Amino acid sequence: QKEVEQNSGPLSVPEGAIASLNCTYSDRGSQSFFWYRQYSGKSPELIMFIYSNGDKEDGRFTAQLNKASQYVSLLIRDSQPSDSATYLCAVIPAFNAGGTSYGKLTFGQGTILTVHP
Amino acid sequence: DAGVTQSPTHLIKTRGQQVTLRCSPKSGHDTVSWYQQALGQGPQFIFQYYEEEERQRGNFPDRFSGHQFPNYSSELNVNALLLGDSALYLCASSLPLATPYNEQFFGPGTRLTVL
Repeated sequence: QKEVEQNSGPLSVPEGAIASLNCTYSDRGSQSFFWYRQYSGKSPELIMFIYSNGDKEDGRFTAQLNKASQYVSLLIRDSQPSDSATYLCAVIPAFNAGGTSYGKLTFGQGTILTVHP
Repeated sequence: DAGVTQSPTHLIKTRGQQVTLRCSPKSGHDTVSWYQQALGQGPQFIFQYYEEEERQRGNFPDRFSGHQFPNYSSELNVNALLLGDSALYLCASSLPLATPYNEQFFGPGTRLTVL
């Protein structure tokens, strides 16, 4: 079982629709969850992070976390063609015994999103 | 405020050669992590440097080594290059890890091609 799993897609949505991107993780003690956007040929760009159960909204983006189900999602409202990219889910595992995390990001393989006019 | 910078942007090497990639972290950041991203895959963690020491390492062979300098910049060295080392190498910087958030900001990457 992969540590972080995403549907590779591609996910195709019409302009103005809601795009829903999903991610599951295997380490139940994982603490922090990140969504990165990566345009073709570019480096990942941080969109949002979430660490508490529930929803977190930032503009057109909403991250949702359910630790009991080991599930994190990203909703993009009013999708635009400029949102077309690969979306990477990343997880920081459980803290070590000292109560800190060294911040090793474990990524899923990414979901390709295409927003068509 | 300068973000994370990496050099060179592109590099072509042949099998068996050695390569050095460089990274300067975002202003105010002192922790540098390196990732390898093969085509169509998510980034894979190589190692992380803090206070000039390797603090954590992923599942990469000893051919991959690194260094952090007193100004927090970092180098990634790969010896005895293999065709499979062809990838985008990403550097990410962050603040010291006192919180669970640890936002990591990526540089533009170095595209390494091994022939």
